[in-house]
Amino acid sequence: DAGITQSPRHKVTETGTPVTLRCHQTENHRYMYWYRQDPGHGLRLIHYSYGVKDTDKGEVSDGYSVSRSKTEDFLLTLESATSSQTSVYFCAISQGNFYGYTFGSGTRLTVV
Amino acid sequence: DQQVKQNSPSLSVQEGRISILNCDYTNSMFDYFLWYKKYPAEGPTFLISISSIKDKNEDGRFTVFLNKSAKHLSLHIVPSQPGDSAVYFCAASGEGTGNQFYFGTGTSLTVIP
Repeated sequence: DAGITQSPRHKVTETGTPVTLRCHQTENHRYMYWYRQDPGHGLRLIHYSYGVKDTDKGEVSDGYSVSRSKTEDFLLTLESATSSQTSVYFCAISQGNFYGYTFGSGTRLTVV
Repeated sequence: DQQVKQNSPSLSVQEGRISILNCDYTNSMFDYFLWYKKYPAEGPTFLISISSIKDKNEDGRFTVFLNKSAKHLSLHIVPSQPGDSAVYFCAASGEGTGNQFYFGTGTSLTVIP
């Protein structure tokens, strides 16, 4: 079982504050992803990384930034949280085309 | 624009019967298709996959069918069990997607004992 952990599991924050979510993997996978899950939208890609310091935008990247300074850690930052960013956030690592992704357990973020 | 679509938000099935979950896609370059299962408060977990060179893949009670001409895939669960109650996502990737999978909106399956 791929080791991938997300922290925190739950967070409530106020509108306008910065928030950072952390994803940590233990298996040296090159590709890492941040998705958000919302009712009626499924899973949508925010940003992904294909190596240390190599990142790219997904379909819903506005208002988010990422950093990857080490292979094992992929950080997602909400620069100034808004209520529309209330969601469940999932980090994932790639296991190749046939096995797809392994996901973390998710972070439930509420922006009030 | 949603490239992968699951048009049924929910499905209820009696225990022991067949569950059929459907998924449509628009990008003809997709060549890998996966199904994920998600329980509440957990991350999605890989269930079964199929590549475009096949039209069927089977794993125990789960079978995925791919119809490339119709750009349609389906997941059959036989027999359905109460533990199968979850949200099911289909996902697709292929040439030019940059190792990225596109997900459908999910179908919530309830298996009634």
